[in-house]
This record gives sequence, C-alpha cells and structure tokens, in this order.
Amino acid sequence: EAGVVQSPRYKIIEKKQPVAFWCNPISGHNTLYWYRQNLGQGPELLIRYENEEAVDDSQLPKDRFSAERLKGVDSTLKIQPAELGDSAVYLCASSLDLVGQPYEQYFGPGTRLTVT
Amino acid sequence: QQQVKQSPQSLIVQKGGISIINCAYENTAFDYFPWYQQFPGKGPALLIAIRPDVSEKKEGRFTISFNKSAKQFSLHIMDSQPGDSATYFCATTDSWGKLQFGAGTQVVVTP
Repeated sequence: EAGVVQSPRYKIIEKKQPVAFWCNPISGHNTLYWYRQNLGQGPELLIRYENEEAVDDSQLPKDRFSAERLKGVDSTLKIQPAELGDSAVYLCASSLDLVGQPYEQYFGPGTRLTVT
Repeated sequence: QQQVKQSPQSLIVQKGGISIINCAYENTAFDYFPWYQQFPGKGPALLIAIRPDVSEKKEGRFTISFNKSAKQFSLHIMDSQPGDSATYFCATTDSWGKLQFGAGTQVVVTP
C-alpha cells in the first residue's frame, strides 16, 4: 500500500514569492492534515480536512496561507507571499476515521521549504 | 501554548542500554497518547500508543508507562540499538483526533 505522497520534497524560494505544496493521501483515507514542523520542534497542525470540508483551520495564517482539498482526495497548501519565518518542513498526514477507533495518522515525508 | 512538555531534549545511550523519555500534559480531556518516531528526512511514524485506562503497554522493546493522576507518561526503549537512533515525539489526542506534539527527544545510540 502506497503511503502519503508529497511533492516537491525540497523548495527554495525568495521572500515574497508564492509557493505551493501538493499531497496525495493514502487511498480511502477521509481525513487529511497539514502540519508545519520548525527545526527542533514537533509538528503543529495548520489545517484539518474531513473529506472536502476544512473542519479545523484555527492555526492557519489566513492572510498568506490557503489550502484546498478538491473532491476530497488530493490537497494543495499555498503560501503567498512567503516570509523568512515560513522556512520549515510542511508535513501532510491522513487518517481513516472510524467511530470509536483511535485516530492513527500516517505522515508523508514532508516538503522542506527554505525562504531566502 | 505548549500542552505537552517533553524531556530530555536529547540523550545518548550505549547499545544495549535503556532510553527513557518523559512527557507531561495538562488537559485531562486527552484520551489517547501516542509516541512517534522520526528519522531524518522522513515524516513521523506511529511507534506505540496507550489509552488512559491502562497503566502500561509493551510492544517488543518499547514500553509506555502511564500515570493518570500525575498526568505523565513515558517511553522506555529497552536493549537500545543503533537503528533506534531517531527523534521521538510524545503526543496527545483529544476526542476530535487533534494531535498535539511534544518538542521531541533526539536519541543517539552508540555502538
């Protein structure tokens, strides 16, 4: 079974430029997450989708970040314009949420963003 | 606001030794306590998890000890191997499935 796929794996951009990350979750997983992981820290949730609906975007900096999950499968996370502080690893995760079952999230390898 | 406090930040252990990582949480609404293992260039992967109605869970060389009254839980890695060298994150999950991670512990196992 294929895992969570993310692209690109690495991205270097200048500040004020736009950037987009793509995620393909595990087939059949209804819930998709985007996390940001700063160096030396644990991942922090940016947004959570249940199917096509964003059910938790409270930590997403909406002035510059946007996300979409069309047709409830693939998702794209965009930053426009990027700032130096956005340099981090952006992780996508997915899970199959069943009533009464623990929410086991499967993570992709992440996209390492460097803003210069 | 960090809801999960993890220590130590890093540790070095000899092959065959025991690695112990501790976490403390504040919110008693958390109902699932997973540990994730992350290798460089990879995403975190679930290692082992425990529910608060159990005080200990063991899977192979990995054991979680859970102290509900103290709001603390720990990961023990027995007979540590060089392949265990990684960063370990404790986490908490609420009833909505929201994961909150600790800051991580970098474990280095020396030959």
